[in-house]
Amino acid sequence: QVQLVQSGAEVKKPGASVNVSCKSSANYYMHWVRHAPGQGLEWMGVINPSGDFATYAQKFQGRVTMTRDTSTKRIYMEMSGLRSDDTAVYYCAKGEGDTWAMDVWGQGTTVTVSS
Amino acid sequence: SYELTQPPSLSVSPGQTARITCSGNTLPKEHAHWYQQKAGQAPVLVIYKDTERPSGIPERLSGSKTGTTVTLTITGVQAEDEADYYCQSADSRGTSPLFGGGTKLTVL
Repeated sequence: QVQLVQSGAEVKKPGASVNVSCKSSANYYMHWVRHAPGQGLEWMGVINPSGDFATYAQKFQGRVTMTRDTSTKRIYMEMSGLRSDDTAVYYCAKGEGDTWAMDVWGQGTTVTVSS
Repeated sequence: SYELTQPPSLSVSPGQTARITCSGNTLPKEHAHWYQQKAGQAPVLVIYKDTERPSGIPERLSGSKTGTTVTLTITGVQAEDEADYYCQSADSRGTSPLFGGGTKLTVL
C-alpha cells in the first residue's frame, strides 16, 4: 500500500521561500497540487522517478522547483517569492500509470503567507 | 485559456441519483478522471480513464463519456457522498493536467 507522508505546516512572510517535502515508499512520478481557500484544485508540476526531469505549470515557472532524493525517496517542492495568495494546502500526489491521473495523495501541508 | 467546465453545485436527496458533468473540447481524445474531496481531507481518485473504478471505490460511483462531456454518476446517493467533486483531464495541447472548477454535492 503506497503512502505519501508530507512535512508539517509552515508560516512564512511575504517574499520568503518555503520547502515542502513528501516521503514515498518508492520512486514514482510525483505531482504537486495546491488548494487555496475557496478555490479549486490547481496543478503545479510533476517530477519523474529518477528526478532528472520536472515540468511546471506556466503559472509557476521560475518560482517553483521540484527535486527528489531517490535514496531516501523524498520529493521536495520549493516555492520562492511567496505572496498572500500562495496561502493554500499543498499536496503531493502519485502519478497513475501512463495517464495524468493521481491515484495516491499525501495528507497535505498548509502553507500560510502572512506579514 | 482552455477550461474544463463543471456546475458549481448540485443538491440531491438520499437514495436519488446524482449526475455531475464536465465539459471540454479535448475530452473526445483525452482521458478524464474524477476526484472526491471531503471537507478537510485530501482528494481521492474515484474514477480514472473515463470509466475505470479504483479498488475500494463503491460500485454506485460510475463514469461515462459522450463527445465533449464526461459524467460522474452516483446511484443511490448516501450522506457520506457529500463532498466536492473535481474532473481532471489534459490541457488543450495534452501536455499537462488540468482540473475542472469542482462541483459541490449536497445531500439534502
